[in-house]
Amino acid sequence: SQQGEEDPQALSIQEGENATMNCSYKTSINNLQWYRQNSGRGLVHLILIRSNEREKHSGRLRVTLDTSKKSSSLLITASRAADTASYFCATVRNTGGFKTIFGAGTRLFVKA
Amino acid sequence: DTEVTQTPKHLVMGMTNKKSLKCEQHMGHRAMYWYKQKAKKPPELMFVYSYEKLSINESVPSRFSPECPNSSLLNLHLHALQPEDSALYLCASSQQGLAGDTDTQYFGPGTRLTVL
Repeated sequence: SQQGEEDPQALSIQEGENATMNCSYKTSINNLQWYRQNSGRGLVHLILIRSNEREKHSGRLRVTLDTSKKSSSLLITASRAADTASYFCATVRNTGGFKTIFGAGTRLFVKA
Repeated sequence: DTEVTQTPKHLVMGMTNKKSLKCEQHMGHRAMYWYKQKAKKPPELMFVYSYEKLSINESVPSRFSPECPNSSLLNLHLHALQPEDSALYLCASSQQGLAGDTDTQYFGPGTRLTVL
């Protein structure tokens, strides 16, 4: 089963609005990553936040991490039509090798 | 070069066929991965190679057979697949492999596989 669960499953907003996606996970983590996937394409790494960090920024992206609630959020500010994609959180489980587990993902649609 | 390439982009095969998916990276990464992704679902890990050795096999059926000929190449050999194996197959690589729980994975564009 997937470690991370995301909500909402789908989000539709107007260009210029902010988009917030949430991710919850079940076990202890050292870090959490967010990836983006354009339709039918490979995933692209967006940002990594370590367990001792509470917030991290990268351009228009803001990620928060609350280890007490085992949750993370990804905020995209001033969204653009080009931000239309699926966004996945990912955690790593050490099972003798490092296994990345992706959340269910949020499909974001930004209307021009 | 920060690219992971995958061939072919699309593959249609019958249940009795044998085919192979190929993945290549020239970033000097020591870990390579195969994922399977069904429509509107997250990628699911299949195999991990670290330093050219299979380190994780997620209980994948034997009709999928991975091979890592060298540190830059990763193959997935397919034989006697079922229609439910139709999916997007993604290859990825990362720098550190076994030591890297902070590894960023670089993904290829995927192979869209259809099994008839």
